[in-house]
Amino acid sequence: QSALTQPRSVSGSPGQSVAISCTGTSSDVGGYNYVSWYQQHPGKAPKLMIYDVSKRPSGVPDRFSGSKSGNTASLTISGLQAEDEADYYCCSFPGPFGGGTKLTVL
Amino acid sequence: EVQLVESGGGLVQSGGSLRLSCAASGFTFSSSWMSWVRQGPGKGLEWVAKIKQDGSEKNYVDSVKGRFTISRDNAKNSLYLQMNSLRAEDTAVYYCARDKGWQTFDYWGQGTLVTVAS
Repeated sequence: QSALTQPRSVSGSPGQSVAISCTGTSSDVGGYNYVSWYQQHPGKAPKLMIYDVSKRPSGVPDRFSGSKSGNTASLTISGLQAEDEADYYCCSFPGPFGGGTKLTVL
Repeated sequence: EVQLVESGGGLVQSGGSLRLSCAASGFTFSSSWMSWVRQGPGKGLEWVAKIKQDGSEKNYVDSVKGRFTISRDNAKNSLYLQMNSLRAEDTAVYYCARDKGWQTFDYWGQGTLVTVAS
């Protein structure tokens, strides 16, 4: 299975909204409602931010939201904050992770 | 509090072997699928292997099939990864993670670094 396709980097200013896309195929993203998103700060373990396309685990701010259309899923972060600067990875059943997106808060 | 603590990483020569361990606490380990996920230096996440609750089903990424073996001991709340015939491209931080289902990883350990010298 090939890795899901994500933009290498995105950026935004504090308070703005940014969206990170994750493109797969009908065999993964498009075929199942099991897309998850992970946040990873440098030197730290990944943290689950979104699962089942749009559900948030307890403790994740509602500034983080997920959606899907066809073979592309998206993570949207609204009201950007400095601590949101991190790498973000998508993952879809049955397996591949995306290549990761570096979010820079300007 | 959920804790996953990996150990066993280190420096090994190409072709060598290493066994990683992951000690779990704070959740019902015996009821959980578990996975190993790795991250090469400066690279993205790569799922490596997963094991069913009772150990009866195991899956691997193609690149490690025949070389790595995932196992678990529910009595000890522990997950293992036996890595044989190691290659330079296996160099990575290896994370233990709970798979809540459908390739969704809700708890992660802090990782253990494996370095394979060529």
